[in-house]
Amino acid sequence: DVKVTQSSRYLVKRTGEKVFLECVQDMDHENMFWYRQDPGLGLRLIYFSYDVKMKEKGDIPEGYSVSREKKERFSLILESASTNQTSMYLCASSSRGPNYGYTFGSGTRLTVV
Amino acid sequence: GIQVEQSPPDLILQEGANSTLRCNFSDSVNNLQWFHQNPWGQLINLFYIPSGTKQNGRLSATTVATERYSLLYISSSQTTDSGVYFCAVGGHSGAGSYQLTFGKGTKLSVIP
Repeated sequence: DVKVTQSSRYLVKRTGEKVFLECVQDMDHENMFWYRQDPGLGLRLIYFSYDVKMKEKGDIPEGYSVSREKKERFSLILESASTNQTSMYLCASSSRGPNYGYTFGSGTRLTVV
Repeated sequence: GIQVEQSPPDLILQEGANSTLRCNFSDSVNNLQWFHQNPWGQLINLFYIPSGTKQNGRLSATTVATERYSLLYISSSQTTDSGVYFCAVGGHSGAGSYQLTFGKGTKLSVIP
């Protein structure tokens, strides 16, 4: 069964900490994405990557960075966590075609205290 | 950017009933997907359907790209269909095709 795996289901961090969220896919997909989901705001794209070492800003990149050193792994980094980054973080991957269908991981619920 | 509007925002159905969920979008797209988010938060891809009609069991979807809308049909609903249904669209070409803009979703509750 093909999978997108996120390293943690629940995470609690302190304000100011550096936080790493890891995502690994086993489908040889070129594209990988990080979204955050908040009540009333829906899913918003933070960053995406269409190739190794490539990255593009999404709609809300401020306060985040990403790393993609290997095709199967896409990391989201919160350089200095803040309480307004408390959210559900969802990783997804897709191929470049002909079917761009996304596969999502199960999510990481991050609480910053 | 592209605007995505889903209706209705909330829907309550008796088990066995049929329903239609609608997604309107503000610009031409070449990537449109429907997702189901179950009560535990997992998002499952239902359809990749930038145009035309597809069916998968009790679910089917139709996208009329020229009129900028898509419909998701659920027939003979079951309690396991409960959750939030999202429509998401991607733009014209290149990297814009890959990244999706999500609607706010339709929350479906199927009661026994």
